[in-house]
Amino acid sequence: EPEVTQTPSHQVTQMGQEVILRCVPISNHLYFYWYRQILGQKVEFLVSFYNNEISEKSEIFDDQFSVERPDGSNFTLKIRSTKLEDSAMYFCASIPNGGTVTGYTFGSGTRLTVV
Amino acid sequence: QQPVQSPQAVILREGEDAVINCSSSKALYSVHWYRQKHGEAPVFLMILLKGGEQKGHEKISASFNEKKQQSSLYLTASQLSYSGTYFCGTEHQAGTALIFGKGTTLSVSS
Repeated sequence: EPEVTQTPSHQVTQMGQEVILRCVPISNHLYFYWYRQILGQKVEFLVSFYNNEISEKSEIFDDQFSVERPDGSNFTLKIRSTKLEDSAMYFCASIPNGGTVTGYTFGSGTRLTVV
Repeated sequence: QQPVQSPQAVILREGEDAVINCSSSKALYSVHWYRQKHGEAPVFLMILLKGGEQKGHEKISASFNEKKQQSSLYLTASQLSYSGTYFCGTEHQAGTALIFGKGTTLSVSS
């Protein structure tokens, strides 16, 4: 079964440092998402991406965050200057098209720890 | 805009049934249900589109009341493997991102 792949699985960074989280969505999927989950809490929407541009973003996704698709396969989330409260599990998800008649396929996540 | 899930937690013995509810204050286009095991990613269970359809997946089924903007997930004859946190995700317009509820933790013991 096709998978969404995320790397690294765990990243520790110092406050103020930049981090890039990487995702390889399923190859024929067109819509991509980043969500985050602070330990044991709800899954929070960050941003959706389609046709090489952001289609929707939440209040959490401020100027410190950016996304891009640098090539035909990778989808990245960059946090420019990490804060302690950015510590969370970050999930990438994808779907084939915008109709969402199918569910999201989530990657296994990147656990980001900011110290 | 975040859907409200209830109850927050359910404790069951194997073979017992449970119902998890999800409600929204805004009109819904679709409701998704996901299950997340500890330390893992959410896994898609089913999607319900407006129209009041009910779906089933093994012994797990769900309904969607479009008028009340509510969905319910039914777990019958629960198994140990059903343990985890169940999230509903709501889509208010076609193509918009899912917004998830806070989750319902289900614990099934033998």
